[in-house]
Amino acid sequence: DTAVSQTPKYLVTQMGNDKSIKCEQNLGHDTMYWYKQDSKKFLKIMFSYNNKELIINETVPNRFSPKSPDKAHLNLHINSLELGDSAVYFCASSLDRGDGLGYGYTFGSGTRLTVV
Amino acid sequence: DQQVKQNSPSLSVQEGRISILNCDYTNSMFDYFLWYKKYPAEGPTFLISISSIKDKNEDGRFTVFLNKSAKHLSLHIVPSQPGDSAVYFCAASGGNTGKLIFGQGTTLQVKP
Repeated sequence: DTAVSQTPKYLVTQMGNDKSIKCEQNLGHDTMYWYKQDSKKFLKIMFSYNNKELIINETVPNRFSPKSPDKAHLNLHINSLELGDSAVYFCASSLDRGDGLGYGYTFGSGTRLTVV
Repeated sequence: DQQVKQNSPSLSVQEGRISILNCDYTNSMFDYFLWYKKYPAEGPTFLISISSIKDKNEDGRFTVFLNKSAKHLSLHIVPSQPGDSAVYFCAASGGNTGKLIFGQGTTLQVKP
């Protein structure tokens, strides 16, 4: 009955590897997001998709590529991982592209990525 | 350039007293403000929001106040309970971009 689920929860990998994080929501929401929480604890948006269409693409290295096969899924693929990519990555969803005005986002529990 | 700031990294309050968490913003185009609560190893959960056309919104023990002239909002928790101990994030949105901009969070500790 998990609303927004992301896997894996923890990911430890070596520099230079390619990895993916998966996200699925069963809320029927139209919009999904990837946020990154860095070492200073700021939550910053990376991407958002509305009905499989990319609508937000912040200044993120092109080693990061989101993929949305359908509106219930938004995966994040990262190529050539670097030490600075270590962070917690949160997937989220909202009712519509208006950021769920007043309803907020529903977040997944996060994926802690550690690059060694 | 951080548009949403929470200048107090932590706050400690006695159970039963009021907790006041503060948030400042710089962009006058923000039209919605939200508060999220986060426990360790979990994602943030939506707590309460306020539209920029209002100055107060209340939901049970939680009240958010908005002062647009000062570009400041606050979250009041009364009475505070130990289960309220968590990190609280302030967030703001503007336009129809679907983008929430978050502050860096304030860790609230409610002591029994």
